[in-house]
Amino acid sequence: ETGVTQTPRHLVMGMTNKKSLKCEQHLGHNAMYWYKQSAKKPLELMFVYNFKEQTENNSVPSRFSPECPNSSHLFLHLHTLQPEDSALYLCASSQDTPREQYFGPGTRLTVT
Amino acid sequence: GENVEQHPSTLSVQEGDSAVIKCTYSDSASNYFPWYKQELGKGPQLIIDIRSNVGEKKDQRIAVTLNKTAKHFSLHITETQPEDSAVYFCAASFYGGATNKLIFGTGTLLAVQP
Repeated sequence: ETGVTQTPRHLVMGMTNKKSLKCEQHLGHNAMYWYKQSAKKPLELMFVYNFKEQTENNSVPSRFSPECPNSSHLFLHLHTLQPEDSALYLCASSQDTPREQYFGPGTRLTVT
Repeated sequence: GENVEQHPSTLSVQEGDSAVIKCTYSDSASNYFPWYKQELGKGPQLIIDIRSNVGEKKDQRIAVTLNKTAKHFSLHITETQPEDSAVYFCAASFYGGATNKLIFGTGTLLAVQP
């Protein structure tokens, strides 16, 4: 449960706000991921970082900006979001891609 | 493109009965198939996985089977208990571009009635 932590757990923001989501993994893994989880849709992979280098950007709008300062930390910077961006944002990590990914509890984001 | 289909979307069983969830995948090169359980308010938790060099794997009340020819795999839960109630996701590895990644199914909401 505490291998991957995410803060905040809940976030409400207006469309003109700027906020950041934080993820930290304590598992010694090399790869970290951002996923978006919306109701009745599969988990959508957004970004992948391997050894701090971004290796995947799954056609994500530029209003989402990831940052990976080291292998243990991952951020998702948010600005000028739309209501349809409301979702659960999950962070995950793994030793290698794509095996045995371990997820954090997620940040429930509501854009008003 | 790559795709994983999962059925059923909802499943209700009586406590003690078995539950089976099925997934099919499109990429014949996929070789890793994990299953995740997601409880309310939590992130998905890996419960079992299987690689393409085996056809079946079991861990206590949970088992997964893989048919590579038909490109489908299934999760079997025996002697279900109320605490098994959750959303279950299957996934398959996909090799494309610079990164190997997991493609997830749409999930199955399992309700175990006491």
